Amino acid sequence: GAGVSQTPSNKVTEKGKYVELRCDPISGHTALYWYRQSLGQGPEFLIYFQGTGAADDSGLPNDRFFAVRPEGSVSTLKIQRTERGDSAVYLCASSLSSGDFDEQFFGPGTRLTVL
Amino acid sequence: AQSVTQLDSHVSVSEGTPVLLRCNYSSSYSPSLFWYVQHPNKGLQLLLKYTSAATLVKGINGFEAEFKKSETSFHLTKPSAHMSDAAEYFCVVSPRAGGGNKLTFGTGTQLKVEL
Repeated sequence: GAGVSQTPSNKVTEKGKYVELRCDPISGHTALYWYRQSLGQGPEFLIYFQGTGAADDSGLPNDRFFAVRPEGSVSTLKIQRTERGDSAVYLCASSLSSGDFDEQFFGPGTRLTVL
Repeated sequence: AQSVTQLDSHVSVSEGTPVLLRCNYSSSYSPSLFWYVQHPNKGLQLLLKYTSAATLVKGINGFEAEFKKSETSFHLTKPSAHMSDAAEYFCVVSPRAGGGNKLTFGTGTQLKVEL
């Protein structure tokens, strides 16, 4: 079956612009996670959804970052007034639920470059 | 608070020789531990996970890891390296007891396999 997909695969934008990154989880997965991976680092947690609600957004770096999942499936990560430091690969993962032992399946990521 | 430390940023082995990737964890309570692999231009893939059922965990592609509470370690091993094992490996910890399964990644170990 289809895995987690993310679009676009690459996004180049200018400092100060607004961007949206999309994640399509595996069908039937109720939990969805966003992570950010900077060059040479491991992924860092940003936010996760259980259904439509953000259950934990403690990893969002500041109020320029926002994410939604209005129908409990597709999620969009939104970044306002982008800065060069936002350049990274943004990863999305989904799991059957948010239980302790539920495996997270990762998408290929969106590489964001802010010039 | 929880964290993982991967002791080597780069490991190089010859094909057919054993692989050892080291990881130490820190957690306030009994954690779930994982190893993920990331091949170039591919999504993160789960290799194996420890969830307290058994201390020696077997994963895909011949990898295994042993949970040692006394040493707070979760090292990844494989008896015989294959060229296709060349990739980046991440040790990962997750809170349990309803923590929502947000993952905390180590900084990664790049494994190089030489002929």
